[in-house]
Amino acid sequence: DTEVTQTPKHLVMGMTNKKSLKCEQHMGHRAMYWYKQKAKKPPELMFVYSYEKLSINESVPSRFSPECPNSSLLNLHLHALQPEDSALYLCASSQVYAGERSYNEQFFGPGTRLTVL
Amino acid sequence: SQQGEEDPQALSIQEGENATMNCSYKTSINNLQWYRQNSGRGLVHLILIRSNEREKHSGRLRVTLDTSKKSSSLLITASRAADTASYFCAKRDSGGSNYKLTFGKGTLLTVNP
Repeated sequence: DTEVTQTPKHLVMGMTNKKSLKCEQHMGHRAMYWYKQKAKKPPELMFVYSYEKLSINESVPSRFSPECPNSSLLNLHLHALQPEDSALYLCASSQVYAGERSYNEQFFGPGTRLTVL
Repeated sequence: SQQGEEDPQALSIQEGENATMNCSYKTSINNLQWYRQNSGRGLVHLILIRSNEREKHSGRLRVTLDTSKKSSSLLITASRAADTASYFCAKRDSGGSNYKLTFGKGTLLTVNP
């Protein structure tokens, strides 16, 4: 299985809602990522989990809360979002190697299109 | 901030022609990767070139890397309508995080049938 799956495909939420995005991979990858992508822009890294521990947080507002319950799953909990948070949210995974061997080819899911009203 | 800069920002060609996209960067890199993204979808990894490599091929794709000029190019030969997509370069900095890729702004390629 070489797929990264994401649910839901589309999500519309109000600013007071709480929702979660889910990501799953079964490639045995031990690094998982959340990216945010606005229209016609490149993906921007939000969070990285390595061996289920938060490795990188790119100064993301606390209304985004990641969670990695096990090596195959990655969640992004959303609360009190703003309309400017509307974007495509991409999950990715990669192998983990030590040091300079970590070439870090990333496998992406299809994304969740989020609209905040 | 995004450091990779692709040019052109948009490229429109006819089927069968070759497409060349360029990527420049400012820091020392461990490797540089190219990804494709069809409209509104996830990214697909195309090819990775390490800092000690100068050229790599994969099918109709050819990537070059010139570390002295801090630039890379992606050539797609004999293009097809299905190649229509956005193409991003992404760099992993030398000595930086094993996980962090910095994506360039992308080139939107349109291949007309």
